[in-house]
Amino acid sequence: DGGITQSPKYLFRKEGQNVTLSCEQNLNHDAMYWYRQDPGQGLRLIYYSQIVNDFQKGDIAEGYSVSREKKESFPLTVTSAQKNPTAFYLCATSHIGGAGGELFFGEGSRLTVL
Amino acid sequence: GIQVEQSPPDLILQEGANSTLRCNFSDSVNNLQWFHQNPWGQLINLFYIPSGTKQNGRLSATTVATERYSLLYISSSQTTDSGVYFCAVEDYGGSQGNLIFGKGTKLSVKP
Repeated sequence: DGGITQSPKYLFRKEGQNVTLSCEQNLNHDAMYWYRQDPGQGLRLIYYSQIVNDFQKGDIAEGYSVSREKKESFPLTVTSAQKNPTAFYLCATSHIGGAGGELFFGEGSRLTVL
Repeated sequence: GIQVEQSPPDLILQEGANSTLRCNFSDSVNNLQWFHQNPWGQLINLFYIPSGTKQNGRLSATTVATERYSLLYISSSQTTDSGVYFCAVEDYGGSQGNLIFGKGTKLSVKP
């Protein structure tokens, strides 16, 4: 089954705990992205990666970390330093890394910090 | 940075009606996409349309890059068209892959 798989779909954590969201793709896309969506808002870019072992900060990277050890995988860790982590997190991929690439999204992970 | 404005913010239609959603952007772009976000949060690609016109069934889109706007047309709307429609752009000077999203148009189609 081709596509982008995010897990878990729903996650509850206590304040101060780090959490890791998984994103796996079998589309053979080079570039992968993490976006955050708050209620009633558009999406904002957290981190992106165009090749293995390399990634770049987006507009709101503070309090987040990522790794890209495999082409298929781009996990996102929400650290305790993120002041307002409750949000909907979306992973995306594109075939062309960079300008002009069409983005495809996973189903998202909804994180609630209690 | 580039600004993206979508209008209207909310739209209520009777099933079968037609509608036009607008996206204005403040600078030249090399990527423009329209997405539909369903009630479960999934973002579905509708069009990749940095310029020109495309059609897919009841939906079509036109981007006039020189005038910095894009339009999404929905004809013969159905209840399943309900959700939020986002326009997203990438400008030439921005971070590669950094799509800037508008705040969306929330569409409700009534039976």
